[in-house]
Amino acid sequence: DVKVTQSSRYLVKRTGEKVFLECVQDMDHENMFWYRQDPGLGLRLIYFSYDVKMKEKGDIPEGYSVSREKKERFSLILESASTNQTSMYLCAISRLASNNEQFFGPGTRLTVL
Amino acid sequence: KQEVTQIPAALSVPEGENLVLNCSFTDSAIYNLQWFRQDPGKGLTSLLLIQSSQREQTSGRLNASLDKSSGRSTLYIAASQPGDSATYLCAVPYGQNFVFGPGTRLSVLP
Repeated sequence: DVKVTQSSRYLVKRTGEKVFLECVQDMDHENMFWYRQDPGLGLRLIYFSYDVKMKEKGDIPEGYSVSREKKERFSLILESASTNQTSMYLCAISRLASNNEQFFGPGTRLTVL
Repeated sequence: KQEVTQIPAALSVPEGENLVLNCSFTDSAIYNLQWFRQDPGKGLTSLLLIQSSQREQTSGRLNASLDKSSGRSTLYIAASQPGDSATYLCAVPYGQNFVFGPGTRLSVLP
């Protein structure tokens, strides 16, 4: 079974705090993704990574950064959290091949007060 | 640019009915199409992956079809149950990323 875990299911932070969301996989998949999901806006890609130390911006990278020091771990960093970053954050993985299937973690519900 | 739409946005049916969810995409040059289920407050669970060379894929009471030429996929759910209540999303690869539909929210009433 594919396993993608996220560090927290629920998180409450204050405006201005630095926030770390972590995603860990046990499937040796090359690609890792961070999305946020908001009502009426669907899933939006923040960043993705196709290899260690490699990262690519998605559709909404502003206010976020990422880190991938090991293949199995992909971190999303909110340098200075703001209330408009309150959202559901979803991590996903896939293989590099073109017939790739995507697998998701359980999600982190982040509330910024 | 690839765009994915899903119709209907929401659907409510009585238990036991067979139903069809629709997914449309604008660029037919896809490698595969994936259907997901999402329960409230949870992540996405992969249901079915149809490769571009396939026309259908089945898992239990679920059957997904793919017609690349018309840019459409359907998810057929047989003998629906209250436990099938969830949001169903489809997605297609786009480069190294994926494009998701907005989802269909399904309610199966006991």
